[in-house]
Amino acid sequence: GAGVSQSPSNKVTEKGKDVELRCDPISGHTALYWYRQSLGQGLEFLIYFQGNSAPDKSGLPSDRFSAERTGGSVSTLTIQRTQQEDSAVYLCASSAYRGASGSWYNEQFFGPGTRLTVL
Amino acid sequence: EDKVVQSPLSLVVHEGDTVTLNCSYEVTNFRSLLWYKQEKKAPTFLFMLTSSGIEKKSGRLSSILDKKELFSILNITATQTGDSAIYLCAFGGSQGNLIFGKGTKLSVKP
Repeated sequence: GAGVSQSPSNKVTEKGKDVELRCDPISGHTALYWYRQSLGQGLEFLIYFQGNSAPDKSGLPSDRFSAERTGGSVSTLTIQRTQQEDSAVYLCASSAYRGASGSWYNEQFFGPGTRLTVL
Repeated sequence: EDKVVQSPLSLVVHEGDTVTLNCSYEVTNFRSLLWYKQEKKAPTFLFMLTSSGIEKKSGRLSSILDKKELFSILNITATQTGDSAIYLCAFGGSQGNLIFGKGTKLSVKP
């Protein structure tokens, strides 16, 4: 079956421009997560969506960052007025809901990421 | 504040060596601890540990959790150059979220 997909794989933009990054989670996974990984750093949590609940935006670094998830599936991460410090690999992950036991699986499956370079 | 600390930050070994990677955590509402391998971009899932003292094994890789002392180790025996990667440890919360350590960069020389 298909895994998590992200597009584009690479994005080069000029400082001040807006960018949109897309994530298609694994079919049936109702939880979706965005992370950022700067060079030589660990994964920095940005935002996550769980089913129909309000997203947890606590990791977003500034109000230039926003994310949407339409129809409970595809998600778009938007960065407005990009800055050079936004350059990083942006990773998306999805996971499933246990259902009967009423809890979330912790195993997250990652997409290949989008490498963003802001010149 | 929940925290996951990995050590060492980097490690260089030769093929055939055995390595032990460490992960300690200070978290509330512990649910699980996960290990991932990251070679290029996407981390790939290795293990999830929820119970103390039960070793999980996959080929040359194994991992164990100590919930009393709040740490986990990842062992790799008879290392190969293909094991070169960043190994990430993450704490899993009750809402499905993960908090990652900074990772251990393993380099295996021929």
